[in-house]
Amino acid sequence: NAGVTQTPKFQVLKTGQSMTLQCAQDMNHEYMSWYRQDPGMGLRLIHYSVGAGITDQGEVPNGYNVSRSTTEDFPLRLLSAAPSQTSVYFCASSMKDNQPQHFGDGTRLSIL
Amino acid sequence: RKEVEQDPGPFNVPEGATVAFNCTYSNSASQSFFWYRQDCRKEPKLLMSVYSSGNEDGRFTAQLNRASQYISLLIRDSKLSDSATYLCVVILLYNFNKFYFGSGTKLNVKP
Repeated sequence: NAGVTQTPKFQVLKTGQSMTLQCAQDMNHEYMSWYRQDPGMGLRLIHYSVGAGITDQGEVPNGYNVSRSTTEDFPLRLLSAAPSQTSVYFCASSMKDNQPQHFGDGTRLSIL
Repeated sequence: RKEVEQDPGPFNVPEGATVAFNCTYSNSASQSFFWYRQDCRKEPKLLMSVYSSGNEDGRFTAQLNRASQYISLLIRDSKLSDSATYLCVVILLYNFNKFYFGSGTKLNVKP
């Protein structure tokens, strides 16, 4: 049972580099979202999507881009990495936008 | 002001104790409510939904108070394995619904 799969699990970047965090789900869920989790801050919504071709900003979207070309995939792009983006990133999905979300294992990202 | 607020704890309780957490939310347009559990360095996992009339799942009871805008989680007969951080989640009704997570309450159950 794959569920929500995130890659990579760990990544170290230098300031200014770009990269894409991958997220895929095999449950045919319409709703997908990206969060970052920092100590003492809880989970903060970065971007979300209610279906293929539809995305919207969450609470902390600056410095990140997303696209949703298929139902299964929802990649998160860091355009120019900054140390403030050091965090644990979680991707989540649910059948609808009012139902509980299932989370991936997370990506631990460090920006030097 | 945060959409969802929780006491970070930690709550340190002995095995067998009953412990309760509250979570307050600021927006009366909040539509759905959940409790998640997160173990150290792991992903959050759904513990239970919270219904208006209150609901129970084994040793866990969830309550919703819309008038005072808070939800609660009661754990009876605490086990060592209950040690974790408990996150409350609120869905706000917009054009698209948005999930907001509390920062979590840490529970340590001691032998």
